[in-house]
Amino acid sequence: NAGVTQTPKFQVLKTGQSMTLQCAQDMNHEYMSWYRQDPGMGLRLIHYSVGAGITDQGEVPNGYNVSRSTTEDFPLRLLSAAPSQTSVYFCASRRDPGGAFGYTFGSGTRLTVV
Amino acid sequence: SQKIEQNSEALNIQEGKTATLTCNYTNYSPAYLQWYRQDPGRGPVFLLLIRENEKEKRKERLKVTFDTTLKQSLFHITASQPADSATYLCALDAKDYKLSFGAGTTVTVRA
Repeated sequence: NAGVTQTPKFQVLKTGQSMTLQCAQDMNHEYMSWYRQDPGMGLRLIHYSVGAGITDQGEVPNGYNVSRSTTEDFPLRLLSAAPSQTSVYFCASRRDPGGAFGYTFGSGTRLTVV
Repeated sequence: SQKIEQNSEALNIQEGKTATLTCNYTNYSPAYLQWYRQDPGRGPVFLLLIRENEKEKRKERLKVTFDTTLKQSLFHITASQPADSATYLCALDAKDYKLSFGAGTTVTVRA
């Protein structure tokens, strides 16, 4: 049982490049989400999904796309990287979208855009 | 706008003492309040969840209180140990699928 797996762990991009951050969970969780964490700020929600085929925007969705074709995977796509997207990205999942359960987080992807 | 504030960015305490962390919120009606621990370079780890109709929840040396009138939660680590040194995050869940986090409080326990 691996939990939530994020790849890559580190990435450097040039401004304007695109890339996909991968997230996979093996717990059969319906709810998955992406957060970014910046120094001095709380985790901010980018996008989330309450099940396969269903996604919605969080607090800071601009510049990011997501899709959820399977229960297990929830990739985050950066369309045209900007220095403002330099951050640590965390994927999280939860068993029941609306239930009283804690979230399981991945170990993060540290992204630098130069 | 919604706001979640955690007390001072850093808390330094002596081993064996109790650490008390504060989480205050405004313009929010959470159904659940959660606390997470985050170590450097790692993702947050879920510790405790308390419901809006609960006043207190305990887990081993951890205790959480939740006062919806004051819009405040207190997180206590009793008999603290150096291994408790980490950043602790408060998170609010209004049952809208959007868990919102405070910036965190870093606790350092001195041996």
